[in-house]
Amino acid sequence: DSGVTQTPKHLITATGQRVTLRCSPRSGDLSVYWYQQSLDQGLQFLIQYYNGEERAKGNILERFSAQQFPDLHSELNLSSLELGDSALYFCASSDNEALNEQYFGPGTRLTVT
Amino acid sequence: GEDVEQSLFLSVREGDSSVINCTYTDSSSTYLYWYKQEPGAGLQLLTYIFSNMDMKQDQRLTVLLNKKDKHLSLRIADTQTGDSAIYFCAESTSQAGTALIFGKGTTLSVSS
Repeated sequence: DSGVTQTPKHLITATGQRVTLRCSPRSGDLSVYWYQQSLDQGLQFLIQYYNGEERAKGNILERFSAQQFPDLHSELNLSSLELGDSALYFCASSDNEALNEQYFGPGTRLTVT
Repeated sequence: GEDVEQSLFLSVREGDSSVINCTYTDSSSTYLYWYKQEPGAGLQLLTYIFSNMDMKQDQRLTVLLNKKDKHLSLRIADTQTGDSAIYFCAESTSQAGTALIFGKGTTLSVSS
């Protein structure tokens, strides 16, 4: 158990809908990262937050957004969903940007039908 | 650019050593990591190596880094059936900032 929690575990929704994925980092970790894992693209970095502020952006679509709250939990919002958004979404947290040890949650499996 | 390559599949017998290989292209890599993903689970950080090191040993795991050839390997001694999983190589580079760049993963199958 990494100490990172994610909810929900599974999510099934229809095209065009909007969903919110939630992540709670390990106690004391200020950084939260979001990754998408799909069969064709592998693991892709989406976005990072550090202590409530956006720190880095990767291959995140404009239909996707994220935020980190004062209690350090984070939410990833996915809107206007398409079939191709079906994937595993992982959250990771870290307490040391220099060493960059990232601890991953169990993931949320999103299925868009 | 950043690219991490791994072979897709490795099959070994229980008790043998496994060697999983990885190559990367970005010479600005600062740290390199090995993660393990079991079916239906998240990624578990196994070990990491700083880019100025050649080798790191941690119990049954040995990481070798050849910076000149940009080649990283993970050796698992006395491989067990519980080691069956997907193993991901990842790099942290100054260009990518704090994002980890992952390979596609190597599926290790251990037969008894």
